[in-house]
Amino acid sequence: GAGVSQSPSNKVTEKGKDVELRCDPISGHTALYWYRQSLGQGLEFLIYFQGNSAPDKSGLPSDRFSAERTGGSVSTLTIQRTQQEDSAVYLCASSSQTGSSYEQYFGPGTRLTVT
Amino acid sequence: QQQVKQSPQSLIVQKGGISIINCAYENTAFDYFPWYQQFPGKGPALLIAIRPDVSEKKEGRFTISFNKSAKQFSLHIMDSQPGDSATYFCAASDGGTASKLTFGTGTRLQVTL
Repeated sequence: GAGVSQSPSNKVTEKGKDVELRCDPISGHTALYWYRQSLGQGLEFLIYFQGNSAPDKSGLPSDRFSAERTGGSVSTLTIQRTQQEDSAVYLCASSSQTGSSYEQYFGPGTRLTVT
Repeated sequence: QQQVKQSPQSLIVQKGGISIINCAYENTAFDYFPWYQQFPGKGPALLIAIRPDVSEKKEGRFTISFNKSAKQFSLHIMDSQPGDSATYFCAASDGGTASKLTFGTGTRLQVTL
């Protein structure tokens, strides 16, 4: 079956512009996570959606970052007024959280470059 | 504040050798410790995971050793192969498997012929 997909795969934007990154989780997965991977760094948690519960936004670095998940499926991460320090690979993961399988399956990521 | 410290940053091992990557954590509430493997241009993939109620878990050539009192855990790759060349991340969560992960900074492993 299809894995987690993300689009675009690469995005170059000018400082100050807004960007939207999209994540399509594995069908039926109720949990969706966004992480950020900066060069030479590990993955940094951003936000977590679980079913209809309020999202855990504790990892969002500033109020320029927001995310939504429509219909319990597709998610969009929006970065407003992008800064050069926002340049990173943004990874999405989903999880079924049923039975014994809670593994987070990651997409290939969106590489964001802010010039 | 880095809650999971990973070492070494890079590692070169000969084919057939043992690769060892270490992680240490600070948060005693962590109760799930997975290792992820990442190839260039790909997202991380779960390799093996452990909970603190056991001290060791083995899956094929991959073994996690866990020391709860020292708050340390390590990945051992036996009979390392060139195909194992990748970046490895340790991680931890405090809500079991259904929770956000805190990652180490990664170890770039190169297995030479």
